Amino acid sequence: DTEVTQTPKHLVMGMTNKKSLKCEQHMGHRAMYWYKQKAKKPPELMFVYSYEKLSINESVPSRFSPECPNSSLLNLHLHALQPEDSALYLCASSPVDRASTDTQYFGPGTRLTVL
Amino acid sequence: SQQGEEDPQALSIQEGENATMNCSYKTSINNLQWYRQNSGRGLVHLILIRSNEREKHSGRLRVTLDTSKKSSSLLITASRAADTASYFCATIISYGKLTFGQGTILTVHP
Repeated sequence: DTEVTQTPKHLVMGMTNKKSLKCEQHMGHRAMYWYKQKAKKPPELMFVYSYEKLSINESVPSRFSPECPNSSLLNLHLHALQPEDSALYLCASSPVDRASTDTQYFGPGTRLTVL
Repeated sequence: SQQGEEDPQALSIQEGENATMNCSYKTSINNLQWYRQNSGRGLVHLILIRSNEREKHSGRLRVTLDTSKKSSSLLITASRAADTASYFCATIISYGKLTFGQGTILTVHP
């Protein structure tokens, strides 16, 4: 299995809602990532997990809360989001995050709209 | 600031023609990667070139790297309509932090 899956594909939420994005991989990768991508822009790194521990937080607002329950799953909990948080949220995984030669494998993304 | 800058921002060609995209970066790198993204979906890794390599091929893809100029190019030969996508160069400058260029939007007309 060489696939990263993300659910849901689309999500519409109000500013007072609490929702979660889910990501799963079964490639045995021990590094997992969340990216945010606005329209016509490149992806921007949000969080990196290494061996289920948060290793990088790119100064992301606390209304985004990542969680890595096990080596195959990565969640992004959303609370009190703003309309400007509307974007495509991409999950990725890689074998080892310290190696500079790593290739990252991306999921199809969740298209989030905040009303 | 972004590590990579790409040009052109958009490229429109006919099927069968070659497409060339360029990427420049600012800091020293160990490798440079190219990814493709189809209309608002996930990214797909295309090719990786290491800093001690000057050219690499994969199918219809040819990547060059000039570390003295801090630049790379991606050539797609004999393009197809299915090649229509956004193409990003990317580098890892620290600890698994993949940083992308601004991207080139390629449109291949049948």
